[in-house]
Amino acid sequence: EAGVTQFPSHSVIEKGQTVTLRCDPISGHDNLYWYRRVMGKEIKFLLHFVKESKQDESGMPNNRFLAERTGGTYSTLKVQPAELEDSGVYFCASSQVRSTDTQYFGPGTRLTVL
Amino acid sequence: AQSVTQLGSHVSVSEGALVLLRCNYSSSVPPYLFWYVQYPNQGLQLLLKYTSAATLVKGINGFEAEFKKSETSFHLTKPSAHMSDAAEYFCAVSDLRSGGSNYKLTFGKGTLLTVNP
Repeated sequence: EAGVTQFPSHSVIEKGQTVTLRCDPISGHDNLYWYRRVMGKEIKFLLHFVKESKQDESGMPNNRFLAERTGGTYSTLKVQPAELEDSGVYFCASSQVRSTDTQYFGPGTRLTVL
Repeated sequence: AQSVTQLGSHVSVSEGALVLLRCNYSSSVPPYLFWYVQYPNQGLQLLLKYTSAATLVKGINGFEAEFKKSETSFHLTKPSAHMSDAAEYFCAVSDLRSGGSNYKLTFGKGTLLTVNP
């Protein structure tokens, strides 16, 4: 069974540009989460989807971040325009529906904003 | 709000020595607790989890953790360190109060484990 995949693995952009990160969850997992780790800080929750619906966006930093999950499959996270403080590693995780179900993480996308 | 504190951002042990990584949590409701490991250039992998069953939880690669409610702790141990254990370890607590099926994780800052030959 394929795990959670993320694309790209690395992205280097300049301040003011737009970047789109993609996450493909494990097939059949309705729950999809985005997290971010800024250098030197802890991994922090950004948002949560159940199928195609956003359930919790409380961790999104500001309105420059837009997440979508069309059709309840893969998800994209767009940052527009990117700022220096957006640099970090963005992780995606997926799980099934029960509270005890494990969240499986992807390898992350390392975003560097210059 | 829930929080997780990992004592020691960097722990160094000799190969064959005991590994002890400390984690304390703060939660107003019974928590679900997790340890994840991140090997270089890889994603986070679940080591073990506590979901209100047995308080001593055994995980992969010989790791185990004990949930101690009175101490609000969930320390990770391994009797004998191996070179391949060198990685970053994260303790996390699940927020069960969000309602619905949102079991978002709150992480500690991570502990980098170095194993010396």
